[in-house]
Amino acid sequence: NAGVTQTPKFRILKIGQSMTLQCTQDMNHNYMYWYRQDPGMGLKLIYYSVGAGITDKGEVPNGYNVSRSTTEDFPLRLELAAPSQTSVYFCASSLGGEREQYFGPGTRLTVT
Amino acid sequence: AQSVTQLGSHVSVSEGALVLLRCNYSSSVPPYLFWYVQYPNQGLQLLLKYTTGATLVKGINGFEAEFKKSETSFHLTKPSAHMSDAAEYFCAVSGWSGGGADGLTFGKGTHLIIQP
Repeated sequence: NAGVTQTPKFRILKIGQSMTLQCTQDMNHNYMYWYRQDPGMGLKLIYYSVGAGITDKGEVPNGYNVSRSTTEDFPLRLELAAPSQTSVYFCASSLGGEREQYFGPGTRLTVT
Repeated sequence: AQSVTQLGSHVSVSEGALVLLRCNYSSSVPPYLFWYVQYPNQGLQLLLKYTTGATLVKGINGFEAEFKKSETSFHLTKPSAHMSDAAEYFCAVSGWSGGGADGLTFGKGTHLIIQP
């Protein structure tokens, strides 16, 4: 049981490039989340999903897109990367909206 | 909408001393409350949670927290700090700040420093 896994661990992008951050969970959780963490700012919710085929915007969705075709996978897409997207990205999953979330190890992204 | 305030972005204690990390929340519904710990270059790990029932909650690594509804607080304590407790600690309340029930709202975190 690997929990929540994320790839890649690190990535450097040039301005204007695009990439997909991968997230997979093997706990059969319906709920999945993407956060970004910036120093001193805590975690901000980017997008979330309450089940396959259902996604919704969080607090800071601009510049990102998601899809949820299976229960296990919840990729985050960055189109036209900007320096403001330099951050650490965490994926999480939970059994329900008010339940504890289980986090992946994070992806550290730098846009230059 | 929900919100979480963690008093003190940095807290420094001596090894063996009491650890007290403060968390106050705002919620329009009875809350579920959580404390998470983040070690350097790692994801967040659940320390403890309050859902219903006993207001004093015990977690991993000797930490505990008490839910005080009248004070809208959920402070985290540990009687005796250990060097391995040095980390970032996040308090969270059920329901995200956008108003929906489908997630958690996190505080900005408190960095715990342990002095030898």
